[in-house]
Amino acid sequence: QITLKESGPTLVKPTQTLTLTCTFSGFSLSTSGVGVGWIRQPPGKALEWLALIYWDDDKRYSPSLKSRLTITKDTSKNQVVLTMTNMDPVDTATYYCAHRYGSGSFFGYWGQGTLVTVSS
Amino acid sequence: QTVVTQEPSLTVSPGGTVTLTCASSTGAVTSGYYPNWFQQKPGQAPRALIYSTSNKHSWTPARFSGSLLGGKAALTLSGVQPEDEAEYYCLLYYGGAVVFGGGTKLTVL
Repeated sequence: QITLKESGPTLVKPTQTLTLTCTFSGFSLSTSGVGVGWIRQPPGKALEWLALIYWDDDKRYSPSLKSRLTITKDTSKNQVVLTMTNMDPVDTATYYCAHRYGSGSFFGYWGQGTLVTVSS
Repeated sequence: QTVVTQEPSLTVSPGGTVTLTCASSTGAVTSGYYPNWFQQKPGQAPRALIYSTSNKHSWTPARFSGSLLGGKAALTLSGVQPEDEAEYYCLLYYGGAVVFGGGTKLTVL
């Protein structure tokens, strides 16, 4: 059974750096073809893909946010960490992590999401 | 910047059939964009329905189907149920990056 859960601060101040952790079970990030991604959703708005990391440490970022994002993995801890610098109120959103596996299949399994509010 | 466009809203009667589409600003959507479809209900995380154009996950109800239609990816719901009222998102793959569509709010009335 694949599960993912996001954790991190619920409130950050403008200009601060956000660090979110995705802790997962039911799969290994050392298995060929497996990836974990981050997606966010501002209140009442659409989903936005942020980043993906694969079993071989290949990393992909949204072009519009690439300069602010870093994604890393700790295979031994079954965790993926996303950092986003220079937070702004427009970054207020629910942040999800999700599992990716297989050709053409993206994000078959999702975490419950964590709401991050950016406010002074 | 690549934009993926979906119908903002659609309405369908219970038992009816409805098709949602997903277009790319780069041109015709092909199987190489690996279209994926997701359903999201209020207060819930998205749920994957379709991957790689037309493949269903083990949990996807049979009334959902995916295809390519007129240069777009399409999600068809046949025999719509009241519980299908939700927001639907498509996702397209652009050689490493992925982009979600803006979502279609499906109302069952």
